[in-house]
Amino acid sequence: SQKIEQNSEALNIQEGKTATLTCNYTNYSPAYLQWYRQDPGRGPVFLLLIRENEKEKRKERLKVTFDTTLKQSLFHITASQPADSATYLCAYDLTGGGNKLTFGTGTQLKVEL
Amino acid sequence: EPEVTQTPSHQVTQMGQEVILRCVPISNHLYFYWYRQILGQKVEFLVSFYNNEISEKSEIFDDQFSVERPDGSNFTLKIRSTKLEDSAMYFCASSEVGQGAYGYTFGSGTRLTVV
Repeated sequence: SQKIEQNSEALNIQEGKTATLTCNYTNYSPAYLQWYRQDPGRGPVFLLLIRENEKEKRKERLKVTFDTTLKQSLFHITASQPADSATYLCAYDLTGGGNKLTFGTGTQLKVEL
Repeated sequence: EPEVTQTPSHQVTQMGQEVILRCVPISNHLYFYWYRQILGQKVEFLVSFYNNEISEKSEIFDDQFSVERPDGSNFTLKIRSTKLEDSAMYFCASSEVGQGAYGYTFGSGTRLTVV
């Protein structure tokens, strides 16, 4: 069965460093991957989407890569700040139709002063 | 920035009672969704809705669940006879186009507690 996996261990980094979060998927190759941020008790907030024919996508301090050979997406936050502390979720649509996202468990990021 | 609005933010209900969770999607969006998140677990897909009908639903979305767009602005999720295991955060989302091409906009959620 298809799976989407994120490192369940929390990631603690120092302010100013680059945070790198990993999303791995098995079997099915999605046409795109989405990344969301979730704060406690709140809904996911869309950050970036990367398509299978794109190697890299950037938005301000955020960068996403997509390696269809490794079946992996990496999410980077450069010059991290305490305000970046949150849980980051990757998600993709197994059906290809875009109407049914499957989310990973998320990785909690804590940026310390 | 346009928002998806959900009400109530928190609902407590007795087991066996019916609940209706309400959502106002972004006005020019055409695709609507319900997701849920049990405490400490993943966000899970329930149902997607387009052109006044369900386009996809998960195995969680059984006969106890229904969705409706009663007017041009509201989108509701009804749970007919709640169970303890229905306790979760329920998120409504909407998107302008299908295939998640521009991502989804989620509401802040309704925390449903079944006692």
